[in-house]
Amino acid sequence: ETGVTQSPTHLIKTRGQQVTLRCSSQSGHNTVSWYQQALGQGPQFIFQYYREEENGRGNFPPRFSGLQFPNYSSELNVNALELDDSALYLCASSLGGSEQFFGPGTRLTVL
Amino acid sequence: RKEVEQDPGPFNVPEGATVAFNCTYSNSASQSFFWYRQDCRKEPKLLMSVYSSGNEDGRFTAQLNRASQYISLLIRDSKLSDSATYLCVVNMRGTNNNDMRFGAGTRLTVKP
Repeated sequence: ETGVTQSPTHLIKTRGQQVTLRCSSQSGHNTVSWYQQALGQGPQFIFQYYREEENGRGNFPPRFSGLQFPNYSSELNVNALELDDSALYLCASSLGGSEQFFGPGTRLTVL
Repeated sequence: RKEVEQDPGPFNVPEGATVAFNCTYSNSASQSFFWYRQDCRKEPKLLMSVYSSGNEDGRFTAQLNRASQYISLLIRDSKLSDSATYLCVVNMRGTNNNDMRFGAGTRLTVKP
């Protein structure tokens, strides 16, 4: 196991609702990256946090936002959920720009 | 052109076969490259980084051609346990791995 944990494992929401996903990074890691993986696709980069600051962002709208805490755990928030937001959300922790270790993911279903 | 494009697959090969996956990327400024493996309903795991000089790890060999913006992965003597989806990954921005772009993946099934 990588030591990266995510919660919850599964989640069902309806359109228009808001969701918060959580990630605990591996001990000693100060960087967390978030990805969205739709069925049959590769993970798509959402954003990265390094020492509590956003350090890079992919092509996702502002309703996708995040936070990193002093202990380097992180949250992904998605507002105004859409059906297309249904996916596996993965977080990956690393020490700066080194190898990324992925958590098991949160499977979000939007009805 | 997609940022990272892989062979569509799927690849179905017998045990012991040699199989090669290809990947092209669009950003010539990209500095770091990787192959990840993802088992069904599991998280991706790093298989190997890809260096300019090419690198080998047991039965796995990765090559990078910067001029053609092309990455490859060769698996020799395939095992049943190699069955998985192989993801080509390119960092689009410098070497800080803060903008990693994944290909859609190539599915490999190794059969007895």
